[in-house]
Amino acid sequence: DGGITQSPKYLFRKEGQNVTLSCEQNLNHDAMYWYRQDPGQGLRLIYYSQIVNDFQKGDIAEGYSVSREKKESFPLTVTSAQKNPTAFYLCASNMVWTEGYTFGSGTRLTVV
Amino acid sequence: AQTVTQSQPEMSVQEAETVTLSCTYDTSENNYYLFWYKQPPSRQMILVIRQEAYKQQNATENRFSVNFQKAAKSFSLKISDSQLGDTAMYFCAFMKHDMGAQKLVFGQGTRLTINP
Repeated sequence: DGGITQSPKYLFRKEGQNVTLSCEQNLNHDAMYWYRQDPGQGLRLIYYSQIVNDFQKGDIAEGYSVSREKKESFPLTVTSAQKNPTAFYLCASNMVWTEGYTFGSGTRLTVV
Repeated sequence: AQTVTQSQPEMSVQEAETVTLSCTYDTSENNYYLFWYKQPPSRQMILVIRQEAYKQQNATENRFSVNFQKAAKSFSLKISDSQLGDTAMYFCAFMKHDMGAQKLVFGQGTRLTINP
């Protein structure tokens, strides 16, 4: 079945460490997105990519980095520069804007 | 900038009742799409319903329907015959074009609880 796979489901990071969240899709979608979700808030866009080897900053890109070397993969790195990284991270993709997004099941990142 | 506002942080109804979730948005665009997503306790985002702005007819999906008022920039979700499985966070979202990309802008969500 086609879909988006995010891993790991839970991730713990020590202060000062970089961590990478994985997002893989087999839907043949061109565009991929990373969102952050905090309690009581909606989803906020971190980065997005419309094609391979190209990506753009979203509304809250500071402290994050991404790559898009393959169409299927869009990993997100949370760097030590991100001061408040504890959150739920959602990856999404789409082909046609009229169809909305397909989402992965998310990664819960906690700083310990 | 486009914004999406959900004015009801939490709602609670009895099973089988009808409930309406409110959403307003702000945009200067004429062609856009609106969506309602459901996020149950599993936290998986599930598309509930979508509406094309140039269509006056309100979208319907089984027990879910919308009341789309384009002039008022309002997009409410009505759930009929509510079920326990409808308990979830509900997010209203606006799809916009920006620099050739399609971005979903989300409201802050409404936590809906269906009581037995």
